Amino acid sequence: DAMVIQNPRYQVTQFGKPVTLSCSQTLNHNVMYWYQQKSSQAPKLLFHYYDKDFNNEADTPDNFQSRRPNTSFCFLDIRSPGLGDAAMYLCATSPGLYEQYFGPGTRLTVT
Amino acid sequence: DQQVKQNSPSLSVQEGRISILNCDYTNSMFDYFLWYKKYPAEGPTFLISISSIKDKNEDGRFTVFLNKSAKHLSLHIVPSQPGDSAVYFCAASRQGAQKLVFGQGTRLTINP
Repeated sequence: DAMVIQNPRYQVTQFGKPVTLSCSQTLNHNVMYWYQQKSSQAPKLLFHYYDKDFNNEADTPDNFQSRRPNTSFCFLDIRSPGLGDAAMYLCATSPGLYEQYFGPGTRLTVT
Repeated sequence: DQQVKQNSPSLSVQEGRISILNCDYTNSMFDYFLWYKKYPAEGPTFLISISSIKDKNEDGRFTVFLNKSAKHLSLHIVPSQPGDSAVYFCAASRQGAQKLVFGQGTRLTINP
């Protein structure tokens, strides 16, 4: 089945220790997104790629970076995680139309 | 500036009855609206959508209504089933934006 896969599902990192979350897709979609979602809040878009074109949201902290080495994979790097970065991180893809298809998410805990 | 609002954080409905989830938006440039369903520890799942050229779209038990003049949309689920218990997010987009703006979500609980 075509899908969006996120690894790991649960990630624990220490305060200030860099961490990388990964997303892969078998849908061959042009667009890939990273969202941050905290409890009882709307998913917050961090950035997205249209093919290799990177689009950063204005309020995304510099602490968050992303890489898309090919169509199938996209990575979220958090350079120095703080306690406030603990959240669910969602990856989504889109063929370039309106609908987005989400992965199961990675729950990040910062200790 | 919250462009998409779901003013009810939670809703409880009896099994078999109709569930109505509401969403308001402020940006008149939005031309496409979507509903997503989210179970705990899973990503949101696309449920149903509607273009601004329509006022109703139906898919099985799910119907979305759009009132452009009021900048309001609603999701009707009938009959409600226990498996419908989840958080429902309303989202909006405009042509060319490649982005969705989400509401805060409404937690729907279906009681037996």
